[in-house]
Amino acid sequence: EAGVTQSPTHLIKTRGQQATLRCSPISGHTSVYWYQQALGLGLQFLLWYDEGEERNRGNFPPRFSGRQFPNYSSELNVNALELEDSALYLCASSLSGSYNEQFFGPGTRLTVL
Amino acid sequence: KNQVEQSPQSLIILEGKNCTLQCNYTVSPFSNLRWYKQDTGRGPVSLTIMTFSENTKSNGRYTATLDADTKQSSLHITASQLSDSASYICVVSLQTGANNLFFGTGTRLTVIP
Repeated sequence: EAGVTQSPTHLIKTRGQQATLRCSPISGHTSVYWYQQALGLGLQFLLWYDEGEERNRGNFPPRFSGRQFPNYSSELNVNALELEDSALYLCASSLSGSYNEQFFGPGTRLTVL
Repeated sequence: KNQVEQSPQSLIILEGKNCTLQCNYTVSPFSNLRWYKQDTGRGPVSLTIMTFSENTKSNGRYTATLDADTKQSSLHITASQLSDSASYICVVSLQTGANNLFFGTGTRLTVIP
């Protein structure tokens, strides 16, 4: 069974640009979560989507946004990139609801120059 | 305030030796505690999960313990291997709430030959 997949693996952008990161959940999972992991720091919760709707978001500015498609894949968009947005962005999926175990993808390494 | 603290921050051990990683939390009301292994630049992978009533759980050479009274958990690694070099993250779940996961910043373990 395929795990959570993310693309691209690496992404290099310059300040002010926009970045789009993609995630495909495990088949049968309807919840998708996005996390930011800056170098040397713990995972910070960004967004949670379930059944196509945003259920919750972490303490990040509005330029971090996303959506979930009918096939439950998800996209994370970061507008007006800043240097401190450089981080590993992890996507996780679970069965519907926030109490089920989350399975993580390999991450997208975003570098902002 | 709900927090998860891990110690030590980093650890270097010789191949074949045992080690113990610590996790203290103040998360309440507690639901469960998970230990994840995260290889550099990759997504975390679940090692064990324990609920309030479980004191110990093993997964091969990994044994996790939980003391819900003192709100402490440990992860013991037996006969370490080079492939154990990774970050180990403690994650505690609340019983309620849409954003109910609290992540520790992890312990960076390096196993040397």
